[in-house]
Amino acid sequence: SAVISQKPSRDICQRGTSLTIQCQVDSQVTMMFWYRQQPGQSLTLIATANQGSEATYESGFVIDKFPISRPNLTFSTLTVSNMSPEDSSIYLCSVRGAVLNTEAFFGQGTRLTVV
Amino acid sequence: DQQVKQNSPSLSVQEGRISILNCDYTNSMFDYFLWYKKYPAEGPTFLISISSIKDKNEDGRFTVFLNKSAKHLSLHIVPSQPGDSAVYFCAASAEWPDSGSARQLTFGSGTQLTVLP
Repeated sequence: SAVISQKPSRDICQRGTSLTIQCQVDSQVTMMFWYRQQPGQSLTLIATANQGSEATYESGFVIDKFPISRPNLTFSTLTVSNMSPEDSSIYLCSVRGAVLNTEAFFGQGTRLTVV
Repeated sequence: DQQVKQNSPSLSVQEGRISILNCDYTNSMFDYFLWYKKYPAEGPTFLISISSIKDKNEDGRFTVFLNKSAKHLSLHIVPSQPGDSAVYFCAASAEWPDSGSARQLTFGSGTQLTVLP
């Protein structure tokens, strides 16, 4: 298993501002994943962050809105840029376990409210 | 288009009874299924999984059943305990196109289980 520390745990932000979420893993991992969970919705993958290369974004998500950094094998950041109330969600970082590289371990999440 | 569906947003069960959480999927490429549990203010934690080559996997009080022909899986919790009260997510996995490493994970929208003492 992996221990993932994510911060901040929650924040209330003004529209038009940006928030950077940090994710620290206790072991080196090749791929880190960023998810969004909107109220009452499923976890939706935003992007995959690989160390040493640009993040790969899923359909509906773009780098300008959600820039990601991955400076080393244990750390990543996700920025939510130019926020609007529609960005109010829980944001989660995740890494995968060894079993079929599928089992996901999650940080505790960042609950973002945009006012 | 939701490929993984949990049609019951909530379920209440009496302590000691069985909890049955259901999940349906549409993508026949899914070959590995997982259940996650999520408490408030925490990230989801892995609970139990099943490969498509099996129809049942058991771990203590938790059993997952897979019906491939119906594209349906269920999580049974017996006996249910108040500490089981949480949101349960079903997830399905398939090979990620153009990737030799991590596999694609698709989540359902979750079911809030409340176990009443």
